[in-house]
Amino acid sequence: ETGVTQSPTHLIKTRGQQVTLRCSSQSGHNTVSWYQQALGQGPQFIFQYYREEENGRGNFPPRFSGLQFPNYSSELNVNALELDDSALYLCASSLVLAGGHNEQFFGPGTRLTVL
Amino acid sequence: GQNIDQPTEMTATEGAIVQINCTYQTSGFNGLFWYQQHAGEAPTFLSYNVLDGLEEKGRFSSFLSRSKGYSYLLLKELQMKDSASYLCAVGSNTGKLIFGQGTTLQVKP
Repeated sequence: ETGVTQSPTHLIKTRGQQVTLRCSSQSGHNTVSWYQQALGQGPQFIFQYYREEENGRGNFPPRFSGLQFPNYSSELNVNALELDDSALYLCASSLVLAGGHNEQFFGPGTRLTVL
Repeated sequence: GQNIDQPTEMTATEGAIVQINCTYQTSGFNGLFWYQQHAGEAPTFLSYNVLDGLEEKGRFSSFLSRSKGYSYLLLKELQMKDSASYLCAVGSNTGKLIFGQGTTLQVKP
């Protein structure tokens, strides 16, 4: 176990709805990254938060947004859900240090199904 | 552009050795990661290479050649529990990981 938790485990929504996914990072970590993993594919980077600020974003539309809180937990919000948003959403936490590598520890994921 | 290639599927026999290759072309490079992912579970960290050469960790070893944009993961003494997806990922200078599509390894008795 990595110490990274995510909720909920599974979620079913319909097209057009909004969803909020939550992540609690590993103790001592200051950075949270979110990834979307479609079935049979590798994870795709959505965005990263460092000290409550967005620190890089992948090729996802603005309806994907996020927050990081002072305790370094994080939320991923997706508005106007589309069928293609059905995927496993992974949260990864890491401790970013100057000159260090960015080993990321993944949570168990939230399986989102959009009908 | 960013491109990471690895085989989609591989099959090997219990007790054997298997090598999973990964080639990459990325605009930044801050290390090459290998993760293991069992079906329905989160990826778990296996190895990290930032300098050329071989890193050995028990039954698993990982190799990197930065000039060739090439890495491999070597699994020895295969066990049935090694059946999983193996993800190659390049760390970018901004901290994100760029993943390949993953290699599904099936270990047969």
